[in-house]
Amino acid sequence: QSALIQPASVSGSPGQSISISCTGSSSDVGGHNYVSWHQQHPGKAPKVMIYDVSNRPSGVSNRFSGSKSGNTASLTISGLQADDEADYYCSSYTSSSTWVFGGGTKVTVL
Amino acid sequence: QVQLRESGPGLVKPSQTLSLTCTVSGGSISSGDYYWNWIRQPAGKGLEWVGRVHTRGGPNYSPSLNSRVTISRETSKNQFSLKMTSLTAADTAIYYCARETWVSGRNSVLIDYWGQGTLVTVSS
Repeated sequence: QSALIQPASVSGSPGQSISISCTGSSSDVGGHNYVSWHQQHPGKAPKVMIYDVSNRPSGVSNRFSGSKSGNTASLTISGLQADDEADYYCSSYTSSSTWVFGGGTKVTVL
Repeated sequence: QVQLRESGPGLVKPSQTLSLTCTVSGGSISSGDYYWNWIRQPAGKGLEWVGRVHTRGGPNYSPSLNSRVTISRETSKNQFSLKMTSLTAADTAIYYCARETWVSGRNSVLIDYWGQGTLVTVSS
């Protein structure tokens, strides 16, 4: 299985909205709705921000939202804040009952 | 509150076998619809899924690591473990254990708890 494709970096100013794409195939992203997004600050373990394409776990800000079209999922962060600066990884369940991650996107708040 | 903690050697020689353990507290690894995962991250690089084992024991492995990896449970100690053979420098990474939760009759899934990670360096 190949890693999901994410842009290496995305940046935005405080208060703006940014989106991160995650492209896979019909065997993973396009095959079901088990797509998650994880935030990782330097030196820390990842934290799930979105699961099942668009669901937020309890405690995650509603500034984070997810969507999917075909083989591409997207994470949108609205009202960008300094603490949103981190690496973001998408993950998808696959038709082989395994997980695959994206290469990661570094979000910079200008 | 569920907590996971990885333990194992920080340094392993090339060609040797890595053994890591994840100790789970705040919940049982042998009940519920959970998978217990290993995920690794080389320095400065992205996350790579290694494999998982279900509460009832069935494992799944990454196709690229399948021939070298075994994940098993030790229910009496509430632990699960990773064994990886034939190590090379490319296996140097932070290794995380994590819980994967299925809910709503398997209509929903998320990796909801992670350990803090343990650094494994493969070097002679």
